[in-house]
Amino acid sequence: DAGITQSPRHKVTETGTPVTLRCHQTENHRYMYWYRQDPGHGLRLIHYSYGVKDTDKGEVSDGYSVSRSKTEDFLLTLESATSSQTSVYFCAIRGTRAYEQYFGPGTRLTVT
Amino acid sequence: QQQVKQSPQSLIVQKGGIPIINCAYENTAFDYFPWYQQFPGKGPALLIAIRPDVSEKKEGRFTISFNKSAKQFSLHIMDSQPGDSATYFCAASSLNTGNQFYFGTGTSLTVIP
Repeated sequence: DAGITQSPRHKVTETGTPVTLRCHQTENHRYMYWYRQDPGHGLRLIHYSYGVKDTDKGEVSDGYSVSRSKTEDFLLTLESATSSQTSVYFCAIRGTRAYEQYFGPGTRLTVT
Repeated sequence: QQQVKQSPQSLIVQKGGIPIINCAYENTAFDYFPWYQQFPGKGPALLIAIRPDVSEKKEGRFTISFNKSAKQFSLHIMDSQPGDSATYFCAASSLNTGNQFYFGTGTSLTVIP
């Protein structure tokens, strides 16, 4: 599992509330990623980080922000959750071989 | 716009059969093509990957065939087993895109005993 944990694993929240998902890694990887997975869309990149305080947008970044204040933690925040953000969110890290990405167990988020 | 197109959406084969999943891409800057396997409730797991300088790669019962001129690649599972029943995703990436992965929409494979 590449030493990746995600919390919470499941969350139900109401429209308009802020939500923060956490990704934690234990192996000091520089690159970390947040994806969302939806039926018919596969996995789509939300944001990624290439170092502490260094982040960039992916293809579906609207409505999401991220922060990385230390190497091991990458946080994804939905400032005001909407029903369209109901999804399964996966964190990933780039492994020791530059092209390989390894995924965490996922967080299922439901926005009612 | 889907950068990587994957087909079929679902596939059912008998045990021992050879399911084939196909992917196509347009961006010639892509230079890394992995396949991921995902079981229900789990994260995707890297299965096998190929670079465009080779036309085929085998790892155990899994084979990737790559056609650079057609911009297509496919996954073959030899002697498929019920335990191979999972969702498979292809992806494409390039160092020029910050190692951003573009995934296909997935293929749900069922192997019948």
